[in-house]
Amino acid sequence: NAGVTQTPKFRVLKTGQSMTLLCAQDMNHEYMYWYRQDPGMGLRLIHYSVGEGTTAKGEVPDGYNVSRLKKQNFLLGLESAAPSQTSVYFCASSYALIEQYFGPGTRLTVT
Amino acid sequence: KQEVTQIPAALSVPEGENLVLNCSFTDSAIYNLQWFRQDPGKGLTSLLLIQSSQREQTSGRLNASLDKSSGRSTLYIAASQPGDSATYLCAVDNYGQNFVFGPGTRLSVLP
Repeated sequence: NAGVTQTPKFRVLKTGQSMTLLCAQDMNHEYMYWYRQDPGMGLRLIHYSVGEGTTAKGEVPDGYNVSRLKKQNFLLGLESAAPSQTSVYFCASSYALIEQYFGPGTRLTVT
Repeated sequence: KQEVTQIPAALSVPEGENLVLNCSFTDSAIYNLQWFRQDPGKGLTSLLLIQSSQREQTSGRLNASLDKSSGRSTLYIAASQPGDSATYLCAVDNYGQNFVFGPGTRLSVLP
């Protein structure tokens, strides 16, 4: 039982490049979330999903897109990376709004 | 809009002390409140979950209480140890949609 895993762990992008972050969970959770964490800003919700095929915007969705084609996977895409998107990205999952489980994070630097 | 604050922002105590961390939220209509621990450069680890029908939860040296009517939760750590040094975050559900996090309290326990 791996819990929540994130791929990749680290990435460096140049401005304008695109990439996809993958989150996978093996707990059969319905709810999945993408957060970013910046110094002094705490955790902010980017997008979330309440089930396969559904997505919704969080607090800071601009510049990001998501997809939930399979229940166990939640993908976060950056179409044209900007330096302001340099951050640590965390994925989490939960059964309904009960206890959240977090992945180890992806450290992204955009130069 | 649900907002979560945590006081103090940072705390330094000698080993063995009992301590209290505070979490406040603006909208009392929550379903759950969850306390997390985050070590530097790591993901979040769930410590305690308090559901809206509960007033407190205990795990080992940790005790969390919830007073929905006043919009407050406290995390009590008994007999603190250097290994307790970390950032502690609380999160509340946001109108049944997702979670809102506080900025965290950075705890240092000195040997």
